[in-house]
Amino acid sequence: KAGVTQTPRYLIKTRGQQVTLSCSPISGHRSVSWYQQTPGQGLQFLFEYFSETQRNKGNFPGRFSGRQFSNSRSEMNVSTLELGDSALYLCASSVVSNTEAFFGQGTRLTVV
Amino acid sequence: ELKVEQNPLFLSMQEGKNYTIYCNYSTTSDRLYWYRQDPGKSLESLFVLLSNGAVKQEGRLMASLDTKARLSTLHITAAVHDLSATYFCAVDIVGSQGNLIFGKGTKLSVKP
Repeated sequence: KAGVTQTPRYLIKTRGQQVTLSCSPISGHRSVSWYQQTPGQGLQFLFEYFSETQRNKGNFPGRFSGRQFSNSRSEMNVSTLELGDSALYLCASSVVSNTEAFFGQGTRLTVV
Repeated sequence: ELKVEQNPLFLSMQEGKNYTIYCNYSTTSDRLYWYRQDPGKSLESLFVLLSNGAVKQEGRLMASLDTKARLSTLHITAAVHDLSATYFCAVDIVGSQGNLIFGKGTKLSVKP
């Protein structure tokens, strides 16, 4: 069965721009979570969506936002990019929250 | 603040040797997860531990959970080079949706 698909795999953006990342969960999975991974901070939770509703949010500024569609696909948006936003962004899907999460390949964002 | 601490953070082993990675967490959690990450790749789910005393084994890896001690271990038996990767443990926060708290990871290098 198909895994979690994230697009694009790589992005290079300039400071001040905005970016949208996409995540297609495993078929039948309704919960989608997003994480940021950096060498300094490790893996940090951004937010979780279930049935098109954001149910949980991590400690990130409002520049980070997301949404989920009726087919459970999710997008996250980062506005006014900063150099410190350079990271690997990982999406994870699970059948429902707090069950085994499966991760996508990630989107490597570089802000220059 | 919930903390998940792994040790060691770096582990260099010789092939054929045994070793244990430790994961301590600071608050009540329903579940503990172990993931593997190869360089530049995503997170691969290894084990899901759901209850006190749970033990799971896959090949040369065995994971266990002691919820009273808030401790999980990942034991490596007769290490081989293919096990070289970074291993993360992660816990759910009770009542928090879709939010995994990750340890900093243990970078394992298995040398011939």
